[in-house]
Amino acid sequence: GQQVMQIPQYQHVQEGEDFTTYCNSSTTLSNIQWYKQRPGGHPVFLIQLVKSGEVKKQKRLTFQFGEAKKNSSLHITATQTTDVGTYFCADPYTGGFKTIFGAGTRLFVKA
Amino acid sequence: NAGVTQTPKFQVLKTGQSMTLQCAQDMNHNSMYWYRQDPGMGLRLIYYSASEGTTDKGEVPNGYNVSRLNKREFSLRLESAAPSQTSVYFCASRAGSAGELFFGEGSRLTVL
Repeated sequence: GQQVMQIPQYQHVQEGEDFTTYCNSSTTLSNIQWYKQRPGGHPVFLIQLVKSGEVKKQKRLTFQFGEAKKNSSLHITATQTTDVGTYFCADPYTGGFKTIFGAGTRLFVKA
Repeated sequence: NAGVTQTPKFQVLKTGQSMTLQCAQDMNHNSMYWYRQDPGMGLRLIYYSASEGTTDKGEVPNGYNVSRLNKREFSLRLESAAPSQTSVYFCASRAGSAGELFFGEGSRLTVL
């Protein structure tokens, strides 16, 4: 069935270090979305990728969609304490109206 | 803009009790969703409603029922709560079949 796998589950970094989370699907995705959830908060949409090989940037965040549209990554350059939270990838379309989320990567940043 | 509003924010139930989580959105969205979030499990889809008058099962529907009361409101009911339903529940909505999901602030439910 519709499923996205996300690694790692947790990541501890020192402030200023880089961080990457990866999302993989066994099936070809139509699109992929990324969300961020701050501790105690609710998920907030970051971006949607649509095209094969697409790369998008938001300040220190770089999002990539694989050529085969089966994987994606989120890279944060020079992490800050404000980056703390859980990052989720999500498949918003393959199953019709369902949006299925990966398990998330929780980022801890030590100042 | 209120966006997606969920009530209650916190609830403690005893095993076997029933309750309804309410969700309303003011963005004129067609699709609405209920997710549960457990540590290490991410967000799992319980039920969704593609449009007013329709509902469909998600990944983990057992033990839950839903009602799409009108375009704005989508409620989640636990008929006989079990400790395994202790979780944080999120309602979400979006305009169509894909695109950005807008989440409510969540409802933290504890079943003793």
